[in-house]
Amino acid sequence: EDKVVQSPLSLVVHEGDTVTLNCSYEVTNFRSLLWYKQEKKAPTFLFMLTSSGIEKKSGRLSSILDKKELFSILNITATQTGDSAVYLCAGLIIQGAQKLVFGQGTRLTINP
Amino acid sequence: GAGVSQSPRYKVAKRGQDVALRCDPISGHVSLFWYQQALGQGPEFLTYFQNEAQLDKSGLPSDRFFAERPEGSVSTLKIQRTQQEDSAVYLCASLRGRVGGNQPQHFGDGTRLSIL
Repeated sequence: EDKVVQSPLSLVVHEGDTVTLNCSYEVTNFRSLLWYKQEKKAPTFLFMLTSSGIEKKSGRLSSILDKKELFSILNITATQTGDSAVYLCAGLIIQGAQKLVFGQGTRLTINP
Repeated sequence: GAGVSQSPRYKVAKRGQDVALRCDPISGHVSLFWYQQALGQGPEFLTYFQNEAQLDKSGLPSDRFFAERPEGSVSTLKIQRTQQEDSAVYLCASLRGRVGGNQPQHFGDGTRLSIL
């Protein structure tokens, strides 16, 4: 059975701290690993990782994929209250059709 | 439109009623997906359309769930004889091309369905 597991499930830190969110996956016909940020509405796309060991960066956020150990991390440096959200990771399966298999999400709270 | 649009934003129905949820994908997007997100969980795949063809419906939880996209644009997810466990947020996503590309799915805000 395809499975994506995120940890921690919940994290509370102070503004300015650095956080690391973890995602491990066991997914057949795996193509890519995606990260989304979900506030109260639509999940918004952050990163798509297809190759191992290549870091992707966007401002204070960065992410990397390890296809040998089957995990990915999402780093956020100098956190701000606006970073508070649920962060979802998902494995992209392509087998004829395609679908995303999501983890449970990490609820990140940034306190001022 | 600029993004994926879903309606209604909220839907309350009594157990046993039928409901219909609408998704307007980004204009020109070929692929369309439906996901179900229970409270405190990640989204779970329901079904996938490429244009008007429903290529994967393996995630639909029962035969009470039915989805269509007759003209390859707007899609409707219908749930018949609703039950309390159908309460969830139903998310729609679209993708510009067909499967296999390096493009992310873009999500709508979802419809929050509550069954009383």
